[in-house]
Amino acid sequence: GAVVSQHPSRVICKSGTSVKIECRSLDFQATTMFWYRQFPKQSLMLMATSNEGSKATYEQGVEKDKFLINHASLTLSTLTVTSAHPEDSSFYICSARGGRGWEQFFGPGTRLTVL
Amino acid sequence: DAKTTQPTSMDCAEGRAANLPCNHSTISGNEYVYWYRQIHSQGPQYIIHGLKNNETNEMASLIITEDRKSSTLILPHATLRDTAVYYCIVRLRMNRDDKIIFGKGTRLHILP
Repeated sequence: GAVVSQHPSRVICKSGTSVKIECRSLDFQATTMFWYRQFPKQSLMLMATSNEGSKATYEQGVEKDKFLINHASLTLSTLTVTSAHPEDSSFYICSARGGRGWEQFFGPGTRLTVL
Repeated sequence: DAKTTQPTSMDCAEGRAANLPCNHSTISGNEYVYWYRQIHSQGPQYIIHGLKNNETNEMASLIITEDRKSSTLILPHATLRDTAVYYCIVRLRMNRDDKIIFGKGTRLHILP
């Protein structure tokens, strides 16, 4: 149990376009979802926390108008990278936490390449 | 958040026990020690956690010192598939705002 999926696993886009990444909890209801970004050879950096039905809370330095997060249901959160630029190329990872427990379950990640 | 200190990298021969240390000298009494690992180009994987007692599961053992200022993750018989970055994290795990903040971790290389 406790599986989190992400779609797509890889995406390549042109500079200036927007890209949407989906994060789904497959067998539990995720009241809270987290989005991380990871550059090569670096650690995961928390971008934002989203609770179902409410606005996401962004970490300091993360532009909320550039990284739009929607957590409209208990099994789906989306991250939209708007007007992507090459410096947004990164590995994006989501995690999800159910309402009753403290454990977070991580998705497999999405590799974004902006040309 | 309490901070952790881990060696940047370690090598271990295949089949031997891999012992990964972590210092968390500012840990408070109600904070847990968690270990995750991340294999290249994958999401993090939970390994084990503990509060003050030693813990063991099918993946690893966690040894926490009596003063709780440090801990060691033990992979008893390392295989090549254990090559990954291992993260030691301290968490309160007590409220809705609990979130996992990753440090730099230890890059473990299992040598054939």
